[in-house]
Amino acid sequence: GAVVSQHPSRVICKSGTSVKIECRSLDFQATTMFWYRQFPKQSLMLMATSNEGSKATYEQGVEKDKFLINHASLTLSTLTVTSAHPEDSSFYICSLPSGDNYEQYFGPGTRLTVT
Amino acid sequence: DAKTTQPTSMDCAEGRAANLPCNHSTISGNEYVYWYRQIHSQGPQYIIHGLKNNETNEMASLIITEDRKSSTLILPHATLRDTAVYYCIGKTSYDKVIFGPGTSLSVIP
Repeated sequence: GAVVSQHPSRVICKSGTSVKIECRSLDFQATTMFWYRQFPKQSLMLMATSNEGSKATYEQGVEKDKFLINHASLTLSTLTVTSAHPEDSSFYICSLPSGDNYEQYFGPGTRLTVT
Repeated sequence: DAKTTQPTSMDCAEGRAANLPCNHSTISGNEYVYWYRQIHSQGPQYIIHGLKNNETNEMASLIITEDRKSSTLILPHATLRDTAVYYCIGKTSYDKVIFGPGTSLSVIP
């Protein structure tokens, strides 16, 4: 199956700065990737769908100007948390569908801490 | 996506079978039952999916009732490494994966 990597695995940043998280598909090309956020002791929440070569589709309540998504190639999607605040501290996870769409392959996640 | 209901938490003795139930009474005919799990601080992992027939793979078995209103995920010989949150999701193959609260399974030595 596909291997999905994320970089960095952990990041600490100061309030007001921006942080970029990368999601890479190592085994095959993905026209669609998904970004999730998970707060402690909560379930994963879908934030947006990243579409290669076009604009991302955001879920209701997710600020598109704050969470910038770029899917510039078939193997890379990036999520930039702009002007991060402590409440943005969370576990961010990306995923992509298998070729037949029956499975989702998830990355290992990125732990963001905003101080 | 079909609404699913799972118990909040369950315990299972190591080496015994873990049977995780899921109710999905509103599942539509073209929606599959998917199971994923998330071990603490890791990304979720696909386990198994099925439409109406029972399914088995190297990780687990999925038993779906004939009326498709409920199902059970069976881990035949639970180990400590199976301690995780297990998510039951009803969706078509093209729907996004939307996670509910899941069942927190603790495998006890």
